[in-house]
Amino acid sequence: GNSVTQMEGPVTLSEEAFLTINCTYTATGYPSLFWYVQYPGEGLQLLLKATKADDKGSNKGFEATYRKETTSFHLEKGSVQVSDSAVYFCALSGGSSNTGKLIFGQGTTLQVKP
Amino acid sequence: NAGVTQTPKFQVLKTGQSMTLQCAQDMNHEYMSWYRQDPGMGLRLIHYSVGAGITDQGEVPNGYNVSRSTTEDFPLRLLSAAPSQTSVYFCASSPAQLLNTEAFFGQGTRLTVV
Repeated sequence: GNSVTQMEGPVTLSEEAFLTINCTYTATGYPSLFWYVQYPGEGLQLLLKATKADDKGSNKGFEATYRKETTSFHLEKGSVQVSDSAVYFCALSGGSSNTGKLIFGQGTTLQVKP
Repeated sequence: NAGVTQTPKFQVLKTGQSMTLQCAQDMNHEYMSWYRQDPGMGLRLIHYSVGAGITDQGEVPNGYNVSRSTTEDFPLRLLSAAPSQTSVYFCASSPAQLLNTEAFFGQGTRLTVV
């Protein structure tokens, strides 16, 4: 079945450092890919998405490119801020064997220090 | 904008007790779902509904019941709580099945079963 694998955390960075959180997926067909973010004490909210190969999703300085050849959707940001400290979830939906349910990776905790 | 509202925010139960977690959305979304979040495991789908009167099982449905009598409400029932059900529970809604649409999450219910 479909699955999502994220790099394990926690990831600790200094302010203004470059961020990469790796995400790979297993799915047949052409799923849609998402990054959700969970700030402390809150629910998840959509950060960005891409619905077809080579699409780039971007929001709040974060971006991720849908790479079908490597089945990846890595999250990047050029200069992180303390306010980016949160848990980040990669997720997919759709594809040949999925009826539209969201499948999440295990989440990666990011801590940004001043 | 209320969005997705979950109650209660925190709950402690004794083993064997029953309770209902409430979820309501005011966006007229057809699709609603319940997830549990456990450390290192991401979010796992418990049950979902594609519209009033229609529900189906997700990845981890055992020990939980749901019903969907209205578009707005999607309660989750624990019939006989067990310590393994200690978790954070999230309700989500979206306009349609999550092929390329955003899911909106509630703020979560932290449940402890002792």
